[in-house]
Amino acid sequence: GENVEQHPSTLSVQEGDSAVIKCTYSDSASNYFPWYKQELGKRPQLIIDIRSNVGEKKDQRIAVTLNKTAKHFSLHITETQPEDSAVYFCAACFGNEKLTFGTGTRLTIIP
Amino acid sequence: GAGVSQTPSNKVTEKGKYVELRCDPISGHTALYWYRQSLGQGPEFLIYFQGTGAADDSGLPNDRFFAVRPEGSVSTLKIQRTERGDSAVYLCASSFTGTDEQYFGPGTRLTVT
Repeated sequence: GENVEQHPSTLSVQEGDSAVIKCTYSDSASNYFPWYKQELGKRPQLIIDIRSNVGEKKDQRIAVTLNKTAKHFSLHITETQPEDSAVYFCAACFGNEKLTFGTGTRLTIIP
Repeated sequence: GAGVSQTPSNKVTEKGKYVELRCDPISGHTALYWYRQSLGQGPEFLIYFQGTGAADDSGLPNDRFFAVRPEGSVSTLKIQRTERGDSAVYLCASSFTGTDEQYFGPGTRLTVT
């Protein structure tokens, strides 16, 4: 089955600086890679996703890159703000099937 | 429009009891997923429905866990003879067939005492 590894487990960044979270996956058949943001006690919120036919996708301050050959993908947040503080999860799946999640990264933005 | 909803938001039960957790997906979403999230962990897959049928139940930990979706909309996750290790947040998600985006509900926090 699919296995997703995520690093780092915690990340502290000065407000205004960039944050990068990295994930690797094992199943080369995976073709969909979403990122979720989860605040304490809340539901996971989809913030950006990328499909295997694309190498990069950007939405305002958030971008995701995908390297299918190396089987890794990354989340980039620029100009970080205090409200970016949360736990971020990467995930991978094939088609419309189950998501396999990483172990999460607790991001703290230091004012 | 309305998002995925789950009831109850919190459930406390005694070891050995039976519980039912309910999920109302986004209207028109034919795919429905149940995940379980323990403290400090990512969600773990339990079961996936496409319409009324369970397309993949490989994540159910044992035969005490069962889920139904009789009319292809609302789903109920049923846990028999609950154990303390079943304590977790149970998350439901839904997606529109033909896309991959899964949208999560707020979860049910289950505590088995």
